[in-house]
Amino acid sequence: DGGITQSPKYLFRKEGQNVTLSCEQNLNHDAMYWYRQDPGQGLRLIYYSQIVNDFQKGDIAEGYSVSREKKESFPLTVTSAQKNPTAFYLCASSIGQSSQFPQYFGPGTRLTVL
Amino acid sequence: SQELEQSPQSLIVQEGKNLTINCTSSKTLYGLYWYKQKYGEGLIFLMMLQKGGEEKSHEKITAKLDEKKQQSSLHITASQPSHAGIYLCGAASYEDSNYQLIWGAGTKLIIKP
Repeated sequence: DGGITQSPKYLFRKEGQNVTLSCEQNLNHDAMYWYRQDPGQGLRLIYYSQIVNDFQKGDIAEGYSVSREKKESFPLTVTSAQKNPTAFYLCASSIGQSSQFPQYFGPGTRLTVL
Repeated sequence: SQELEQSPQSLIVQEGKNLTINCTSSKTLYGLYWYKQKYGEGLIFLMMLQKGGEEKSHEKITAKLDEKKQQSSLHITASQPSHAGIYLCGAASYEDSNYQLIWGAGTKLIIKP
């Protein structure tokens, strides 16, 4: 089955700790994205990558970092510099970055800072 | 920056009734996408509209994009409990030739049995 997987589903972190969220896709998509979703708000773009070894900041990149060493993988690190990291994080991918290609989403990771 | 207004914010509908959700932009949209989300889960892609006046249907859900490509509606006929969830619209636009994808805040749909 083709799709996007995210792990873990739930993650708890102590203040001051970095944590990495996993995102893997086997759709052979070039573009991948990380979003943050907070209650009552639309999705906010953190980072995106159009191709391996290249990525760009989105609207709320501060306190986050990513890597794209493989086409199928786009991990997100939430660093201790992120002031309010408790949120639902969604990874997505698309064939390319164009209006003709919709994004497909993983099941999400809920991060809670204790 | 461009915004995507989604209305209503929430909707409670008696099972079997029809309903409509709207998604509006002040600028031209080059792709309009509808998604459904169950609480705590990822977004499920429903439909994509690109051309002015385009209409697509899947089972009991119909989505339309107006001729000016600034407004889309999602219509559910004879609603069922399985239709409950959060519906989000996303749209592709080009700001200074740069591609960007913007999102509505979502419409929470509750179906009363």
